[in-house]
Amino acid sequence: DQQVKQNSPSLSVQEGRISILNCDYTNSMFDYFLWYKKYPAEGPTFLISISSIKDKNEDGRFTVFLNKSAKHLSLHIVPSQPGDSAVYFCAATGAGSYQLTFGKGTKLSVIP
Amino acid sequence: KAGVTQTPRYLIKTRGQQVTLSCSPISGHRSVSWYQQTPGQGLQFLFEYFSETQRNKGNFPGRFSGRQFSNSRSEMNVSTLELGDSALYLCASSGTGNIGGELFFGEGSRLTVL
Repeated sequence: DQQVKQNSPSLSVQEGRISILNCDYTNSMFDYFLWYKKYPAEGPTFLISISSIKDKNEDGRFTVFLNKSAKHLSLHIVPSQPGDSAVYFCAATGAGSYQLTFGKGTKLSVIP
Repeated sequence: KAGVTQTPRYLIKTRGQQVTLSCSPISGHRSVSWYQQTPGQGLQFLFEYFSETQRNKGNFPGRFSGRQFSNSRSEMNVSTLELGDSALYLCASSGTGNIGGELFFGEGSRLTVL
């Protein structure tokens, strides 16, 4: 049973437009959520996170929104740049847990 | 500050063999986690160590094991390799004692089982 789901395996966006990556979770015990970006032949790198006590967190061009009632979060990238082309993983964890549960990833392609 | 270092980067084994992968965390980091990445399953948690103690283990068979040394370096071992063990094995370290802090990943060890 997949507890973190990224239903879109891929997404293509024009440079300068907004990229919206979505993630759904089923485990009510999750209270901290993270996004990681992965380029080919590299390990994932941390992008942005959000605690369940918040519904929005911004860092430059990246904003994560959390809708707890819908168990849904999204990552917005504005404006999208070609260098943003990568696989984006949504991850979640809960209090007292020492592991992250990842989604399967969404491959973002930003077209110049 | 050096990042997480994993060795070897690539290796090929045959079914039935065993393999040991090594991970050196960022200096000062005491938590080391291992994840398996496959195309069909994404990143799946294997285990996490803190100060030489395994605190959590994922849903993998007993053929997968690990350990952490007093200098925080970690190894994972897979015995009796199966074709399905072909994957990218990622190690990550954390500077905080809890998972609320971000994980810093290495580049991974890509294992191919023939």
